[in-house]
Amino acid sequence: DIQMTQSPSSLSASVGDRVTFTCRASQRISTYLNWYQHKPGKAPKLLIYSTSTLQSGVPSTFSGSGSGTEFTLTISSLQPEDFATYFCQQTYITPDTFGGGTKVEIK
Amino acid sequence: QVQVVQSGAEVKKPGASVKVSCKTSGYTFTSYYIHWVRQAPGQRLEWMGIINPSGGNTTVAQKFQGRVTLTRDTSTKTVYMELSSLRSEDTGTYYCARGLGYSNGYDNWGQGTLVAVSS
Repeated sequence: DIQMTQSPSSLSASVGDRVTFTCRASQRISTYLNWYQHKPGKAPKLLIYSTSTLQSGVPSTFSGSGSGTEFTLTISSLQPEDFATYFCQQTYITPDTFGGGTKVEIK
Repeated sequence: QVQVVQSGAEVKKPGASVKVSCKTSGYTFTSYYIHWVRQAPGQRLEWMGIINPSGGNTTVAQKFQGRVTLTRDTSTKTVYMELSSLRSEDTGTYYCARGLGYSNGYDNWGQGTLVAVSS
C-alpha cells in the first residue's frame, strides 16, 4: 500500500495567517491527491481533488499544488472556521490511503 | 441536495457481526460509487472497500476480505456494509462516502456510525 505522510502533525496559527501543510507519498502518485477538512463529530469535507482543483463551494483561500510524491495545501488567510484537522488522500492505486492529518489550532 | 445518512451507533460483542446502512438521496444513485472508510480511535482513516451501485460489483481491501460484505438496494438507494467476526480492534467510526468520479476523492460523506466492540 502507498504510505502517506503529513507534516507537521499539528500547528498553532492566528486568524489571518498563511499556513502550508505538506503531504508526501511513498511512491509517485501523479496528481491523484485529495485534501479534506475534518472537524470533531462531523463528516470530512472534500476541499481539493486532483492536487489543485477546488471542490465546489470551497473558498479560494484554499489552494493545492504538487506532483509525484510531494504535495502542499495552503490556506492564504486563516479564518476562524478553518481551525480543524486536514488530511490528504491518494487515489492513484487501490487501496486509497490517507495521511495522518495536520491539526490546526488557535495560537 | 445530496444527502448521505448512516444508521445509528452499535455496541457489539466480540465475534458478532454489524451491518451499517448508508441511505442516499438527491442524486442518481447508480451513477456514483460508494466507498467505506473507518477510523479507529487515534488512528488515521482506513479504506475498507467500494461498491458500484449500478451493478453491485465490489472491491474490498485485502485486510478485510472474508469479513466485509458490501451490498446495495437500488429501490431504497441504500448501501450496506456488514463486518463479521468483530474484535475489539474494530471499534471505531465507520463512514460511507460518495466517490467524485473514480479517483477524484469523496465529495459527500455520511455522518459516521460509531461501532463499539466490547465484551
